[in-house]
Amino acid sequence: QKEVEQNSGPLSVPEGAIASLNCTYSDRGSQSFFWYRQYSGKSPELIMSIYSNGDKEDGRFTAQLNKASQYVSLLIRDSQPSDSATYLCAPLPMEYGNKLVFGAGTILRVKS
Amino acid sequence: GAGVSQTPSNKVTEKGKYVELRCDPISGHTALYWYRQSLGQGPEFLIYFQGTGAADDSGLPNDRFFAVRPEGSVSTLKIQRTERGDSAVYLCASSLTGIGPGELFFGEGSRLTVL
Repeated sequence: QKEVEQNSGPLSVPEGAIASLNCTYSDRGSQSFFWYRQYSGKSPELIMSIYSNGDKEDGRFTAQLNKASQYVSLLIRDSQPSDSATYLCAPLPMEYGNKLVFGAGTILRVKS
Repeated sequence: GAGVSQTPSNKVTEKGKYVELRCDPISGHTALYWYRQSLGQGPEFLIYFQGTGAADDSGLPNDRFFAVRPEGSVSTLKIQRTERGDSAVYLCASSLTGIGPGELFFGEGSRLTVL
């Protein structure tokens, strides 16, 4: 089992729709979770962090965390073509100290 | 500088050669990370520095890989006897303290191609 699993996609959604990106992780001790966005040919950039069970909203983005199910998701409302990118899920495993373990990412394509 | 700077942006070398990749982190950031990313994969951890010392080098794949950060700022990743499998984008990231490292700021990467 991979440490972090994401559907590679591509996930295609029409402009204005909600995009739902999912991630499962294996380390039950993980306490912090991060979503990074990576445009093609560019480096990852942090867009959301979540530490507690439930929802966290920031503008058009909502992160959802369920530690019991070892599941974290990212919702993007009113999707725009500029949201087209790869979204990387990165839990912080307790046993690995200060290093993030990244998933392979989900490719999102927003069609205008 | 304003962001994390990596040089060179592209490096093409022949199998068996030695390469050095440089990272200049954001001023004042004590934590520095090296990751590498292959096509279609997420970044893979290599090594983490806190100040001048390597706090965690468990991700270095073998002894051909080595990294230094002698003055606690600029870091150099060194790869000896390069192999074709070393071809990837090598990403450097820095963080203010390293605690709660979700706030990693990445450079644009050094793309290494080993022929």
